[in-house]
Amino acid sequence: SQQGEEDPQALSIQEGENATMNCSYKTSINNLQWYRQNSGRGLVHLILIRSNEREKHSGRLRVTLDTSKKSSSLLITASRAADTASYFCATDGWSSGSRLTFGEGTQLTVNP
Amino acid sequence: EAGVVQSPRYKIIEKKQPVAFWCNPISGHNTLYWYRQNLGQGPELLIRYENEEAVDDSQLPKDRFSAERLKGVDSTLKIQPAELGDSAVYLCASSLGQGSTEAFFGQGTRLTVV
Repeated sequence: SQQGEEDPQALSIQEGENATMNCSYKTSINNLQWYRQNSGRGLVHLILIRSNEREKHSGRLRVTLDTSKKSSSLLITASRAADTASYFCATDGWSSGSRLTFGEGTQLTVNP
Repeated sequence: EAGVVQSPRYKIIEKKQPVAFWCNPISGHNTLYWYRQNLGQGPELLIRYENEEAVDDSQLPKDRFSAERLKGVDSTLKIQPAELGDSAVYLCASSLGQGSTEAFFGQGTRLTVV
């Protein structure tokens, strides 16, 4: 069973634009993470935000977390064609015994 | 530092045949995960090890799937017999453990059952 649901399922933008992806989850969490997956490859960790944090930055990435709404967003600024990939949120929580549970993902296409 | 290594990268087998996947995690990582990923979907956990102990295998189809992690390092995942619906990418990941869940993934094994 999937813990998270990403929205939108697919997003197509032009190079230089910002991309925003959302993730909603169901149960209480310790941390929420975002991963990127290029076609045919494994997942790569991007950023982790703890349940007591509200916002975190890493380079062109900005993640927000709203535990009251059980939701998170990932913003990629000034997108590049190389950002084309699938993006997944993943959560772990006390009730799941640190099980890392992934959502269905958002397919981002950045057009040159 | 070497990443998570999986083999083989691709495997095509006929249904009812057995198949095995191998994973070598990052050195020093106590937690090892096996995930299955169907096309267009997110990874689904099959089993999680803390050292050599399987601590979360509730989603492993135990009638045909088995896994082991001897000496708390390498791990193998086996399917016997394989079914058409087992076609997917099988991903291995590892993390430090002890509360750290940032996972490092291998390239995966793409299994096709015909």
